[in-house]
Amino acid sequence: TQLLEQSPQFLSIQEGENLTVYCNSSSVFSSLQWYRQEPGEGPVLLVTVVTGGEVKKLKRLTFQFGDARKDSSLHITAAQPGDTGLYLCAGGVQGAQKLVFGQGTRLTINP
Amino acid sequence: GAGVSQSPRYKVAKRGQDVALRCDPISGHVSLFWYQQALGQGPEFLTYFQNEAQLDKSGLPSDRFFAERPEGSVSTLKIQRTQQEDSAVYLCASSSWTSGVVNEQFFGPGTRLTVL
Repeated sequence: TQLLEQSPQFLSIQEGENLTVYCNSSSVFSSLQWYRQEPGEGPVLLVTVVTGGEVKKLKRLTFQFGDARKDSSLHITAAQPGDTGLYLCAGGVQGAQKLVFGQGTRLTINP
Repeated sequence: GAGVSQSPRYKVAKRGQDVALRCDPISGHVSLFWYQQALGQGPEFLTYFQNEAQLDKSGLPSDRFFAERPEGSVSTLKIQRTQQEDSAVYLCASSSWTSGVVNEQFFGPGTRLTVL
């Protein structure tokens, strides 16, 4: 069974601070996706990383896929209250179309 | 429609009742997925369709869970003889399909099932 462990599970910081969320596994994934989920809604894709070592930036968000394609990180610079939400990492299973999700990081940015 | 829709949005069932949850995927999307999301957890894969064919049902927790997509569009997830542990949000997602890659999945808002 492939598992993804996210840390921290909860994070509450002040506006303007930086933060990093980690997603780790002992398994290799074909891709790693990061989603954001708001209450009462389904997850919305933020980014997909495919190549080991790949780094993608989305405004203040930086995503990295580990060299061995087993782990990933999400770094947010100068966090804003609008960044508040549940962040989920999801690994693409090799040879299949399904995703394996981490348990999520609930992020709260305080004004 | 513009996105994935699910109905009902909320369902309360008494233990032992059967329920049916509907998913309308994005028009033209070949792939359809069902996930179960328990409170405070990430979604867990239940089953996957490519058109009308159910190619993966490895995540269905028991034989009380059944999914179908008879015409390759709308899908229904049926849970028979519901139990309290079935209480969760059931998410449907659809995607286009390209061989060899994991395609972006577009999620619906989910159906929150509460079994009393």
